[in-house]
Amino acid sequence: GAVVSQHPSRVICKSGTSVKIECRSLDFQATTMFWYRQFPKQSLMLMATSNEGSKATYEQGVEKDKFLINHASLTLSTLTVTSAHPEDSSFYICSGRGWRPDTQYFGPGTRLTVL
Amino acid sequence: DAKTTQPNSMESNEEEPVHLPCNHSTISGTDYIHWYRQLPSQGPEYVIHGLTSNVNNRMASLAIAEDRKSSTLILHRATLRDAAVYYCILRLTNNDMRFGAGTRLTVKP
Repeated sequence: GAVVSQHPSRVICKSGTSVKIECRSLDFQATTMFWYRQFPKQSLMLMATSNEGSKATYEQGVEKDKFLINHASLTLSTLTVTSAHPEDSSFYICSGRGWRPDTQYFGPGTRLTVL
Repeated sequence: DAKTTQPNSMESNEEEPVHLPCNHSTISGTDYIHWYRQLPSQGPEYVIHGLTSNVNNRMASLAIAEDRKSSTLILHRATLRDAAVYYCILRLTNNDMRFGAGTRLTVKP
C-alpha cells in the first residue's frame, strides 16, 4: 500500500508553546488529507479534512485557531497545535487519500506530550 | 451517519481462523465497507474493503451479507502479530472515514 510518514514521531513540549507536526505522502499525491486525534484507550476522532490548496474543514468542537492545518502541496500537510496545554496531549494521526477515493493510508502517528 | 457495531473484544488461538463480525444495518447503497487494524502506538493499517461481493487479499477475506447489513472479516490463520484493534468502517458518500470503537483481538499462543 501507499506510504505516509509523520514527523516527529514523538514530541514533548512545555505548556503554552506551539508544536508543528508534518505529514507526508511518500509515493502518491494526496489530494485530501485528514487529521485524527486519539486519546488513550479510545478510538480515532476525526479533527479536520483538508484539500490541497484549500482551507481545512474542521469537525464540530475542534478549534480551528488552535489546530492550524496547512496543505500547501500534494505531498505535505502540517498540523500546528498553538499554545498547547496538557489536555492537548494525545496521539495525532494523519491520513492521505489520492485520486482513487476507495481508501485512505495512515501515517504512523505522533505522540504529543504537553507538560 | 451510518454506524457500525462490533464486539468489544475477541480471543483466538494461534494458527486458527478468526471471524470478526460487524453490523451496519443503516448502510446506504454507495457505502464501501472498510476494515483497518491498529497495533499499539501505531497508525491504522488498511486490511481490506468491499462493496457487495466477497473480497480476498493476502491479509484476509471479507464476507459481505447479501443485504449488506453485516460483514465478517476472516483471518484464515491467526498469528501473534495479528493481535490488534480491528475497525469496521463505512465510507460515507462524501468520503469521510470515521472510526467506531473496534474489536480488540487477542491471539493466544
